Amino acid sequence: AQKVTQAQTEISVVEKEDVTLDCVYETRDTTYYLFWYKQPPSGELVFLIRRNSFDEQNEISGRYSWNFQKSTSSFNFTITASQVVDSAVYFCALYNQGGKLIFGQGTELSVKP
Amino acid sequence: KAGVTQTPRYLIKTRGQQVTLSCSPISGHRSVSWYQQTPGQGLQFLFEYFSETQRNKGNFPGRFSGRQFSNSRSEMNVSTLELGDSALYLCASSLDDRGRYGYTFGSGTRLTVV
Repeated sequence: AQKVTQAQTEISVVEKEDVTLDCVYETRDTTYYLFWYKQPPSGELVFLIRRNSFDEQNEISGRYSWNFQKSTSSFNFTITASQVVDSAVYFCALYNQGGKLIFGQGTELSVKP
Repeated sequence: KAGVTQTPRYLIKTRGQQVTLSCSPISGHRSVSWYQQTPGQGLQFLFEYFSETQRNKGNFPGRFSGRQFSNSRSEMNVSTLELGDSALYLCASSLDDRGRYGYTFGSGTRLTVV
């Protein structure tokens, strides 16, 4: 079965702290894609990153970085020097065949000034 | 480049009625997927269309249906609405149906059934 687990339901940090959001996935496929999305209060899911199963390079984009480890089936997301605007719900997702994304339950991040 | 457009943004319907939601994908995108988001169940896949054909369907009753037109625009219909159908309905578009290009989501339609 395919599954995505985000064990952290809520995280609260103070501005400028670093924060890591965990994501663990299960799949038997050898080729798959992993995603992170941000959902602000407006409701729209904002695409952050896509990673395919053959590319284990970590990625950094500004204050965001992602650590993909196939050995532990994890795809963690770190925000460095968090800001109030980072407050949102973050979803990790696994691509299944046929256009289906399997989402984790989401982590609600609250960044306080 | 216009994003994914969903209409309407908000809807209030009465139990037993039916509703149609619309999704216009990004120009050139041929795949449209629909998701239901509720506080209890999270984000759940409804169905996916590619080139006017339903390619995959989630575990939802037959009251939930959809279609895709030749211009890739998609509609989903829910008949005989139940209170539990109250949710945020999100659609996503992609260039293909293999996940290679990622998925862009619309702002959603928030449906309230009273």
